[in-house]
Amino acid sequence: GAVVSQHPSWVICKSGTSVKIECRSLDFQATTMFWYRQFPKQSLMLMATSNEGSKATYEQGVEKDKFLINHASLTLSTLTVTSAHPEDSSFYICSARDPDGNTEAFFGQGTRLTVV
Amino acid sequence: DAKTTQPTSMDCAEGRAANLPCNHSTISGNEYVYWYRQIHSQGPQYIIHGLKNNETNEMASLIITEDRKSSTLILPHATLRDTAVYYCIVRGGGTSYGKLTFGQGTILTVHP
Repeated sequence: GAVVSQHPSWVICKSGTSVKIECRSLDFQATTMFWYRQFPKQSLMLMATSNEGSKATYEQGVEKDKFLINHASLTLSTLTVTSAHPEDSSFYICSARDPDGNTEAFFGQGTRLTVV
Repeated sequence: DAKTTQPTSMDCAEGRAANLPCNHSTISGNEYVYWYRQIHSQGPQYIIHGLKNNETNEMASLIITEDRKSSTLILPHATLRDTAVYYCIVRGGGTSYGKLTFGQGTILTVHP
C-alpha cells in the first residue's frame, strides 16, 4: 500500500511556542490529506481536511487560527500548532487517500506532542 | 455516515480465530464497511473493506450479513502482534475518500 510518513514522531515544546508537524506521501501524490487528533484513551477525531493549493476545511470546534494547515505541494502537508498550551498535548495523525482510485486511506505513524 | 456499535473489548487465545462483530443497522445502500486497527501509539492500519459480498485478503476476512446490518471481521490465526484497537467504520462514496469517522472500537487482546 501507499506510504505516508510523519515527522517528527514526538516533540516536546514549551507553552506559548509553535510546533510544526509534517505529513508526506512518499510514493504517491496526494491532493487531499486529513489531520486527526487523539487524546489518551480516546478515539481519533478529525480536525481538518487539507487540500493542495487551497485552504483547509476545518471541522466544527477546531480553531483554524490555532491549527494552521499548509498543503503547498502534492506530497507535503504541514500542521502548525501555534501558541501551544498543555491542553494541546495529544497524538496527531495524518492520512492520505489511496491514489489509485481505491477508497482506503493510509495513515502516518503519528506525532506525539507534549507541551510543558 | 452510518453509526457503528462494537464491543468494548475482546480476548482471544494465540493461534485461534478472532471474530470481531460490528453492528451498523442504519447503513444505507451505497455505504461500505471498513475495518482499521491501531496498535498502541501508532497510526491506524487499513485491514479490509466490503460492500455486500464477503471479502478476504492476506490479513483477514470480512463477513457481511445479507441485510448488511452487521458484519464480522475474522482474523483466522491470531498472534500476539494482533493485539490492537479494531475500528469498524461505515462510509459512503463521493469525494471525501479517506475522511473517516472513528468510534471507540474494540480492544482485542491476544494472549498466549
